[in-house]
Amino acid sequence: EIVLTQSPGTLSLSPGERATLSCRASQTLSSSYLAWYQQRPGQAPRLLMYGASNRAAGISDKFSGSGSGTEFTLTISRLEPDDFAVYYCQQSAGSPRTFGQGTKLEI
Amino acid sequence: QVQLQESGPGLVKPSETVSLTCTVSGGSINNHWWSWIRQSPGKGLEWIGFIYDTGSTNYNPSLKSRATISVDTSRNQFSLNLNFVTAADTAIYHCARTIAYGGKWFDTWGQGTLVTVSS
Repeated sequence: EIVLTQSPGTLSLSPGERATLSCRASQTLSSSYLAWYQQRPGQAPRLLMYGASNRAAGISDKFSGSGSGTEFTLTISRLEPDDFAVYYCQQSAGSPRTFGQGTKLEI
Repeated sequence: QVQLQESGPGLVKPSETVSLTCTVSGGSINNHWWSWIRQSPGKGLEWIGFIYDTGSTNYNPSLKSRATISVDTSRNQFSLNLNFVTAADTAIYHCARTIAYGGKWFDTWGQGTLVTVSS
């Protein structure tokens, strides 16, 4: 099973700042097989990025993804109040599909 | 716009079977993969398995064959049966549309239904 480790566990920033979230895989992944999700309180997760750097439909270009091998990054520029949420990475390179434990982005 | 809605019992006794249904509206269940994913404070997000409209399935081995996913294309629904449940199966259960583009991604989710396992 591929284990995804996200860091930091909690990230405290202010509106207008840039956030950088990390996801480390226990095995090398093709960049095609990494996604990011956002989950606001009381809501289901929402797909942000797939294939490491492709934005899902309707996702703002302030979200960007990068990385390869075992290290992947989600960057959120110009933080707005709605961006403060929990972010998860997910891999689809192997079965079972697995998620990271999440990074909480808080004000 | 596709929407998903889970339904099922909120409370199940240990060792029993929990049966959940996901109703797809605003689009066809055909030509897509569909998943069940659960979320609990202890385990975070856990993928249970997915099914294609033809009935082809893939499951998370950690569930030790306790999970069965089925599809009813005539009703635009798919379902999850999880048997021999224990307290560890207490979680919010989400259904999700699964797109295959390179990997498989969960692009539309239901709000989730809380299943509590307790006597």
